[in-house]
Amino acid sequence: DAGVTQSPTHLIKTRGQQVTLRCSPKSGHDTVSWYQQALGQGPQFIFQYYEEEERQRGNFPDRFSGHQFPNYSSELNVNALLLGDSALYLCASSLGSGGAHEQYFGPGTRLTVT
Amino acid sequence: DAKTTQPTSMDCAEGRAANLPCNHSTISGNEYVYWYRQIHSQGPQYIIHGLKNNETNEMASLIITEDRKSSTLILPHATLRDTAVYYCIVRGGSNYKLTFGKGTLLTVNP
Repeated sequence: DAGVTQSPTHLIKTRGQQVTLRCSPKSGHDTVSWYQQALGQGPQFIFQYYEEEERQRGNFPDRFSGHQFPNYSSELNVNALLLGDSALYLCASSLGSGGAHEQYFGPGTRLTVT
Repeated sequence: DAKTTQPTSMDCAEGRAANLPCNHSTISGNEYVYWYRQIHSQGPQYIIHGLKNNETNEMASLIITEDRKSSTLILPHATLRDTAVYYCIVRGGSNYKLTFGKGTLLTVNP
């Protein structure tokens, strides 16, 4: 049973560029959430997608956007990259949304902005 | 979601039980207690969650006090691979996100 997968593993971008990160949920899961984890901090919620729509959003600017595809996979896009966007980006999947449904995390994508 | 309080760090001897406490005195009736752990630079790993009753799975046991204001995660036989940051999270039934605090760094010593 495949777990949550993310690509790429590592990425280096320059300030002002745009980046797309990808996530495939655990088999059978229909909901994908994205988190940002800065060095030494706990993960911070960016947004969640269910049925191809954004259901909830954290305190992140509009430069952060996402998409969910009919096969439940998801992309996170970040425009106009800033140095402060350097972080580990985590994808988590669940069967359904809401507090009763545990989220399973992928290994993350390490983004470095120079 | 209710705020949680955890010790910054704890030590445990290999082979002994590790008991990680969490205080969530403002928890409300429809909020779940979740535990995750994160080994350095890896994605958080789901451990267990519960609402009111104690829960046990292949990884750990979760003991929730009767008033639900605190809980304890028990790793019955800690190994060196259990060294990680452990996060206690309270999450509402209608809330989609997990809100991570600073967690407890558990160090298992040989």
